[in-house]
Amino acid sequence: AQTVTQSQPEMSVQEAETVTLSCTYDTSENNYYLFWYKQPPSRQMILVIRQEAYKQQNATENRFSVNFQKAAKSFSLKISDSQLGDTAMYFCACGNSGGSNYKLTFGKGTLLTVNP
Amino acid sequence: NAGVTQTPKFQVLKTGQSMTLQCAQDMNHEYMSWYRQDPGMGLRLIHYSVGAGITDQGEVPNGYNVSRSTTEDFPLRLLSAAPSQTSVYFCASSPSGGRGGEQYFGPGTRLTVT
Repeated sequence: AQTVTQSQPEMSVQEAETVTLSCTYDTSENNYYLFWYKQPPSRQMILVIRQEAYKQQNATENRFSVNFQKAAKSFSLKISDSQLGDTAMYFCACGNSGGSNYKLTFGKGTLLTVNP
Repeated sequence: NAGVTQTPKFQVLKTGQSMTLQCAQDMNHEYMSWYRQDPGMGLRLIHYSVGAGITDQGEVPNGYNVSRSTTEDFPLRLLSAAPSQTSVYFCASSPSGGRGGEQYFGPGTRLTVT
């Protein structure tokens, strides 16, 4: 069984500043993937970034980057140059890379508010 | 290419009524899943399917039924609605063997049971 924990229910940041969202996970799998999904007020789930557990290099996507600490089972999301459009609920998720890639385990989410 | 579509977007039911939430995808994905989202709980897996004719239970399957007669469609049935099933329901699909679990989500259905 997998568990994903997001310890920050809410966060806020000023526009143009940097913010880091925390996530820890636990899995018995050797091969797995980690994801951050964004859910804006429109309710649509949008993939922000993904990380393969076998890769040591941290994933980056434009202003979004992760700090993946495999031994500590930590997977934080850094948003640089925050924009008003980044205001959303952010979910951390873990999925297997083997036959179970149809199942994701989600954290409870962090509500991020970007203030002007 | 519509991706994953869900109907209806909103629904109000009375306790004891039954209904089917529709989900369809046009990406020829083998895997499809249903999640429910409740405040403070994240998304929890209800049922999933690894292909036509194959379904299995997720974390919170009670009160729901699914079937998968085609690759494209994966309906979720509420047999006898209860207020505890008030939630937002998401359908998702993913291709087999690729991109390690990245799922494509539908727009969601907000269900209220009174």
